[in-house]
Amino acid sequence: KAGVTQTPRYLIKTRGQQVTLSCSPISGHRSVSWYQQTPGQGLQFLFEYFSETQRNKGNFPGRFSGRQFSNSRSEMNVSTLELGDSALYLCASSLAGTYGYTFGSGTRLTVV
Amino acid sequence: AQSVTQLGSHVSVSEGALVLLRCNYSSSVPPYLFWYVQYPNQGLQLLLKYTTGATLVKGINGFEAEFKKSETSFHLTKPSAHMSDAAEYFCAVSPTGGNEKLTFGTGTRLTIIP
Repeated sequence: KAGVTQTPRYLIKTRGQQVTLSCSPISGHRSVSWYQQTPGQGLQFLFEYFSETQRNKGNFPGRFSGRQFSNSRSEMNVSTLELGDSALYLCASSLAGTYGYTFGSGTRLTVV
Repeated sequence: AQSVTQLGSHVSVSEGALVLLRCNYSSSVPPYLFWYVQYPNQGLQLLLKYTTGATLVKGINGFEAEFKKSETSFHLTKPSAHMSDAAEYFCAVSPTGGNEKLTFGTGTRLTIIP
């Protein structure tokens, strides 16, 4: 079966722009979470969605937002990009009642 | 608050030797613990997890980990290293017992010496 699909894989943006990243979870997985991975801060939780509702949010500024659609696909948006937003953004999905994520391959965002 | 400490950011072992990657956790509630592996330019893959029950957990690719509450540890081991084990390994703890808001350690990069 198909895994977690993230698009695009690579992205280069300019400071001040905004960006939207997409994630399609495994079929049947209604929980989608987003993580940011950087060499300095490691893996940090951004937010989690379940059935179109944000259930948890990490300690990131309001420039970071997300949403989930009725088909469980999720998007995250970063507005007014800063150089420090350069990172690998990972999406993960999980099946209700189970433990442990399936991660996508990530979107590598570079802000110049 | 939950936290995870991985001792050793880099570990090198010879092919065929024992792999031991250390993880200590701090949790105010009974922890759910995970080990993930990340290969270059890829996402994370779940190796194994401890939720409740048996404290020795077996995972994929021959890895296992033992939950020791008295030592607040969840070390990852593999009896015999293979070249394909070279990757970065992350220990993680869940604050709620589920998949929400995993707190990851800083990772251990494992190098296998031929």
